[in-house]
Formats: sequence, structure tokens, C-alpha cells
Amino acid sequence: EADIYQTPRYLVIGTGKKITLECSQTMGHDKMYWYQQDPGMELHLIHYSYGVNSTEKGDLSSESTVSRIRTEHFPLTLESARPSHTSQYLCASSPFTVNTEAFFGQGTRLTVV
Amino acid sequence: GENVEQHPSTLSVQEGDSAVIKCTYSDSASNYFPWYKQELGKRPQLIIDIRSNVGEKKDQRIAVTLNKTAKHFSLHITETQPEDSAVYFCAASKTGNQFYFGTGTSLTVIP
Repeated sequence: EADIYQTPRYLVIGTGKKITLECSQTMGHDKMYWYQQDPGMELHLIHYSYGVNSTEKGDLSSESTVSRIRTEHFPLTLESARPSHTSQYLCASSPFTVNTEAFFGQGTRLTVV
Repeated sequence: GENVEQHPSTLSVQEGDSAVIKCTYSDSASNYFPWYKQELGKRPQLIIDIRSNVGEKKDQRIAVTLNKTAKHFSLHITETQPEDSAVYFCAASKTGNQFYFGTGTSLTVIP
């Protein structure tokens, strides 16, 4: 089934650890996004990509990095986790040339202790 | 870049009443306007969308209107039900570009 998958769903990790949040989509979409969202609150765009080897920073300043080596895969890495990184991270994808919706993954809820 | 403003931030209505959420955008080149519903603990999901060549679109109890001249669009939910309680986000985009989201409206339908 075509979908967008995020792992892990929940993660509790200590300060200073390096973590990678995984996002994969089987929808054949070119564009992919990472949003940070506190529960029920505004979606903040932190990174996006228009295709392989394309990555851009979003509006929210972030200490994370992303890569886009394969069309279907868009991982987010935090080199050194801090309590301020505690949040929900949502991955999304959409086609490039057609104005249609962005599809969201289930999200990763990250807690840094 | 685009700036999307959304009002109100919270909205409470009695079951059966109507709810209206309004958004404005700044970039006249934006041509696609989706609305998302996010239930507690779940991912945002599209409920309705409208493109700039259309002024109004309706899907059962949900409708969206677009005023390109004034650069605003609105979500209308009629005959509200408790399961309509959620956070609603508007968004704007133009072909090939990213989505710009509003700040969200928390809707509570009181039985």
C-alpha cells in the first residue's frame, strides 16, 4: 500500500546522543518535507527536498541535517540531542509538478532527557 | 515567501451548529489551498482542497470558499458533530513549491 512511513514512532534518548529519524515513502513523490510540531500546535517546516541530492532549510532554525540520496528516503539527523529538541517530527511528501495534497507520516515523538 | 494567517485559534460550537475558520495569504501566485484535520495523536489528513480557478467547493457537510482578489479562503462545517472536534490547518502553495501552513484552529464541538 502506498504510504509514508516513519520510524521510530516514539523515542526517548539522553542528551548529547546522535539520532536519526527515518522517513520513507512508497508514493513515488519527488518532494519531501520535515515538520516539527508540538502537540496540537503549528507546523514548523525545518527541511525540505525537491528531489534526489536536493535539500533546503525551512523557516525554523534547526540543528538537524537531512539527506536525499534516494527518492523514497529522507532521513533527519540530530548530531547532539538536547531537551529543547523534544517534540513531534512529521515527515510529508507530495508530487512536484501537480498541485495536490501533501501526505503525512504518523510522526516520531521524540523526548530528550 | 508566503505568509498564511489563520483565525480563530480556538473555536467552540454546539453540536449541530456551523463552524467557520478563515485564512489569509500574502502571495498572489499561490494557487492551491488544502485544509487538513488533525485528531489528537494522529497525522494531519486532507479533508478538502480548492484550486485558484474555483471559487467554492463542497463535500457533504464541508465547504471551502476562495476569494482570490482579497486573498482569503475559508472552511465551513455545517451540522457539526462531536467527531469534528480536532485541530484544523489551512495551507497555501504554488506549483512546484512548498506548503505554507496556518497556525491551526482547535475546534471543540459540545454535545
